[in-house]
Amino acid sequence: DQQVKQNSPSLSVQEGRISILNCDYTNSMFDYFLWYKKYPAEGPTFLISISSIKDKNEDGRFTVFLNKSAKHLSLHIVPSQPGDSAVYFCAASASGGSYIPTFGRGTSLIVHP
Amino acid sequence: DSGVTQTPKHLITATGQRVTLRCSPRSGDLSVYWYQQSLDQGLQFLIQYYNGEERAKGNILERFSAQQFPDLHSELNLSSLELGDSALYFCASSVWASGSYNEQFFGPGTRLTVL
Repeated sequence: DQQVKQNSPSLSVQEGRISILNCDYTNSMFDYFLWYKKYPAEGPTFLISISSIKDKNEDGRFTVFLNKSAKHLSLHIVPSQPGDSAVYFCAASASGGSYIPTFGRGTSLIVHP
Repeated sequence: DSGVTQTPKHLITATGQRVTLRCSPRSGDLSVYWYQQSLDQGLQFLIQYYNGEERAKGNILERFSAQQFPDLHSELNLSSLELGDSALYFCASSVWASGSYNEQFFGPGTRLTVL
């Protein structure tokens, strides 16, 4: 049973437009959420995170929104650039546990020039 | 470059065989984590070591085992390999073991193909 779901396997956007990647979770114990980015032949790299005490966290072109009541988070990339083309993994962890994140299956983002 | 190294990059072997994957964490990191990524799957947590001791276990099969050595490098041993074990195996490292979320730094992975 997947506790972290990324229902869109892929997303294609035009350079300069907004990319919105979505993630849903089922475990109400999750209170820390992360996005990782992965290029081919490389390991995932940390992108941005958000604690459950916040509903928004921004870092440059990247913003993560958290809707706890809906158990939903999203990553917004504005403006999208071709170099953003990668697989994005959503992950969630629980402070009451080992903090080891549970990952979604990833969304492949392609940004067209 | 995350500072985490994994060897080998690619491994092709036959069913029933045994392989060892190696990971060297970032300098200063005491925790090592192993993950498996099968086709179209997310990263599945296998096991965590902290300063030589097992700290957490995930969906690791009994045919798989791991250890962390005094120099902090870690090895993941996969035995009696099956076709379904074909996957990308990632190692990650972080500074602390528990108490708060610790950013994990991932290696480039080892791609295992079982024929």
